[in-house]
Amino acid sequence: DAKTTQPNSMESNEEEPVHLPCNHSTISGTDYIHWYRQLPSQGPEYVIHGLTSNVNNRMASLAIAEDRKSSTLILHRATLRDAAVYYCIRVTGANNLFFGTGTRLTVIP
Amino acid sequence: EPEVTQTPSHQVTQMGQEVILRCVPISNHLYFYWYRQILGQKVEFLVSFYNNEISEKSEIFDDQFSVERPDGSNFTLKIRSTKLEDSAMYFCASSEGGPNEKLFFGSGTQLSVL
Repeated sequence: DAKTTQPNSMESNEEEPVHLPCNHSTISGTDYIHWYRQLPSQGPEYVIHGLTSNVNNRMASLAIAEDRKSSTLILHRATLRDAAVYYCIRVTGANNLFFGTGTRLTVIP
Repeated sequence: EPEVTQTPSHQVTQMGQEVILRCVPISNHLYFYWYRQILGQKVEFLVSFYNNEISEKSEIFDDQFSVERPDGSNFTLKIRSTKLEDSAMYFCASSEGGPNEKLFFGSGTQLSVL
C-alpha cells in the first residue's frame, strides 16, 4: 500500500516544466518519499527521494511541503523520453516499496 | 551505471510446471527483491531478501514460491507448480542499503503460463 494519492494522468508539452503532485497526508516523521517511474515495457526506475527538505538530482527536483503532507516532482524540461508512469511511494522505516497506480505522464511534441 | 540482469527475458511454460527465474543483482548490493506486474496492472511486491533469508513477503508469495541466492551472485525465484494466473512480468531489484535506498530494477522476465 503506497499510502499516497496521485492524479491518474497528466499531460505536458515538450520542453516545458512538469509538476507531478502527490498527497501523503498520513505521513509520519520518519517516512521517506520516493519517486520511481516506469517507461513503457521497462522495469521501474528510481527518480529521486527525500525526507524533509527539497532535493535535486540530474533527473528531477523534489519539493516537499513544510508539513510534509504533500510533495511535487518537478521535471524541469519534459522530453518525449519522460513519458512514463510516475510513482510516488511512501517508505516507512525498513518496510519495502509498495507501488500504487501512479500518474501516467503524456508528453506532447 | 551498474545494472541488474535478468534471464530469460521471456519464459513460456505449461501449467503445473516448475520455473526458475534468474537475476544477477549489482555486485556490492546486499538487499534483493522480486516484484511482479500482471499486464495492465500495478507493480506488486513479492519478497525481499537480506542476509540469506527472507525479510518480508507479501500474500502473493505463497508456498509455491521460493527464493534462493545459490552462489553469492545469482538470486533466483522459483515457482513450483505454475498456474495461469502466474503469467506476469517479474522484476528483480537490488539495493545497497535496504528499501530506503535507491532500488535498481532489472528489465524483467515475461512469464507466460499456458
